[in-house]
Amino acid sequence: DAGVIQSPRHEVTEMGQEVTLRCKPISGHDYLFWYRQTMMRGLELLIYFNNNVPIDDSGMPEDRFSAKMPNASFSTLKIQPSEPRDSAVYFCASSLDPPTHNYGYTFGSGTRLTVV
Amino acid sequence: GENVEQHPSTLSVQEGDSAVIKCTYSDSASNYFPWYKQELGKRPQLIIDIRSNVGEKKDQRIAVTLNKTAKHFSLHITETQPEDSAVYFCAAKRLTGGGNKLTFGTGTQLKVEL
Repeated sequence: DAGVIQSPRHEVTEMGQEVTLRCKPISGHDYLFWYRQTMMRGLELLIYFNNNVPIDDSGMPEDRFSAKMPNASFSTLKIQPSEPRDSAVYFCASSLDPPTHNYGYTFGSGTRLTVV
Repeated sequence: GENVEQHPSTLSVQEGDSAVIKCTYSDSASNYFPWYKQELGKRPQLIIDIRSNVGEKKDQRIAVTLNKTAKHFSLHITETQPEDSAVYFCAAKRLTGGGNKLTFGTGTQLKVEL
């Protein structure tokens, strides 16, 4: 398995532009998580899905952020309009359903977003 | 919700010495505690985990201990090597009833000096 695949690896965009981050979870995993990592705030959970359904989006900072999971193999995180304070590394992670399976998350390589 | 605190935020040790990172959690129903290692520019990767039905788990040079009563758990790395230099994150969650949501600590930057 190729693991969790994120694209792009790096994104530089101008303030006000729309940004779309993409994630392909590990095949068969039924949970998908979006995290944001910054020096100041560490790893923050933004939103997660179970069987393609959003379960908890309480970590989404504002209405400018939205996430979708149209099918079991693809998810997007969109920021519109983007702002400089959105600059961070965005990680996607997937996992199987505990407690009968492996309990841990597998992270993707992340997308480093820079908004100038 | 769950709150996980992690200390210290930075830790510098000499090669060959031991390193200990400590975490506390707030939700007494949490019963799964993984540790992740994140090298510079890389993704967090699971290195060891423990469930609440055991007090200690060891894998070669790393070990994790859990004190359910005090709600704290620790990562121990013995005979540290330069390749152990990384950021380490602890985390906690409920295996049932918690929605499979991991809450992470704020991370410890470990530097192993030659």
